[in-house]
Amino acid sequence: DSGVTQTPKHLITATGQRVTLRCSPRSGDLSVYWYQQSLDQGLQFLIQYYNGEERAKGNILERFSAQQFPDLHSELNLSSLELGDSALYFCASSVVGRSTDTQYFGPGTRLTVL
Amino acid sequence: AQSVTQLDSHVSVSEGTPVLLRCNYSSSYSPSLFWYVQHPNKGLQLLLKYTSAATLVKGINGFEAEFKKSETSFHLTKPSAHMSDAAEYFCVVSDSNAGGTSYGKLTFGQGTILTVHP
Repeated sequence: DSGVTQTPKHLITATGQRVTLRCSPRSGDLSVYWYQQSLDQGLQFLIQYYNGEERAKGNILERFSAQQFPDLHSELNLSSLELGDSALYFCASSVVGRSTDTQYFGPGTRLTVL
Repeated sequence: AQSVTQLDSHVSVSEGTPVLLRCNYSSSYSPSLFWYVQHPNKGLQLLLKYTSAATLVKGINGFEAEFKKSETSFHLTKPSAHMSDAAEYFCVVSDSNAGGTSYGKLTFGQGTILTVHP
């Protein structure tokens, strides 16, 4: 158990819908990251937050947005869903968000878009 | 820019024989390198990491990796495979940028699936 929690574990929805994925970091970690794992793209970095502020952005679609709240939990919002958004979404956390930090991963949320 | 190439998509070994998973990286500045393991339907677990200290890094479950700057490699090894090692392994790089600012963006290789035969 990494100490990072993600809810829900599974999500099944239809095209065009909007969903919210939630992540709680390990106690004491200030930085949160979101990653997408799909069969065709592999594991890709989406976005990083540090203490409530956006810190780095990857190949995140404009239909996707995220935020980190004052209690440090984070949410990833996916809207106008397409079939290709079906993937495993991981949240990770680390102490301060440096390149040398170890990132601890949650168990993931499996999103299926029908 | 940073990138990672895992040279084998599948590796198959017999239990008790050595494991070698190969990884080459590309980075502009001072990379940190990691190996993560993913068991079926599980999250990612850190095996080991290199952050510019000793070039030979020891990790959990008997795994180790050697950072070779001249070869831009970070291969993962284990002397004797166990059935429980069967999983997918990811080589990962994290880099600072030209200004020395260090972010946590991880770039993953495509993964190597390790199969262990009895």
